[in-house]
Amino acid sequence: DIVMTQSPDSLSVSVGDRATISCKSSQSLYKSNKKNYLAWYQLKSGQPPKLLVSWASVRESGVPDRFSGSGSRTEFTLTITNLQAEDVAVYSCQQYYEIPYTFGQGTKLEI
Amino acid sequence: EMQLVESGGGLVQPGGFLKLSCAASGFTFTGCWMNWVRQAPGKGLEWVASIEEDGSANFLVDSVKGRFTVTRDNAQKSIYLHLYSLRADDTAVYYCAKNSGQSDRYSPFDHWGRGTLVSVSS
Repeated sequence: DIVMTQSPDSLSVSVGDRATISCKSSQSLYKSNKKNYLAWYQLKSGQPPKLLVSWASVRESGVPDRFSGSGSRTEFTLTITNLQAEDVAVYSCQQYYEIPYTFGQGTKLEI
Repeated sequence: EMQLVESGGGLVQPGGFLKLSCAASGFTFTGCWMNWVRQAPGKGLEWVASIEEDGSANFLVDSVKGRFTVTRDNAQKSIYLHLYSLRADDTAVYYCAKNSGQSDRYSPFDHWGRGTLVSVSS
């Protein structure tokens, strides 16, 4: 199984700051179609998980452009600029390169 | 509007059984792989099961193989998770989620339900 490891486990930032969350996979998530099979989700208490970024860097419709994803193969990053109070959440990466799908342990963002 | 609504959770004793349901609406259900994902208290997300569009293929995480089964009824636009021989470590919120790709299991989960809580305790 592909192991997904996020860092840090938690992050305390201020409104207006920039947050960077890392996600590393135990094997490459890059396929011959030149896509990285990596997604980022936002988890808020009492709400369904929300897909923020797919294919490592494609922001979903309606997601603010302060959220951006980058990286390739085994190392990926979610960057949130100009942090807002409503960004308090847990952020989780997921590989969909193969089944079993696996998630990172989550990064708790606090403001 | 796409919607996924889970039901069937509750408190059950170790060794017991539950059947979870997920009702879908607002999208072409028959074109999508569907999934169950759980989140135990204080833990991260864990994929549990996936089922193909026509139900002909399905996959389960190793920890539930032999205890859980996943099925779907396309006429009812629903998927189900049958949980047998429940253990304390199965306690979690169980979410239903759809793959974004048409007939493509190698795609992210673009819509999720709000989840249903399963508590296993004596």
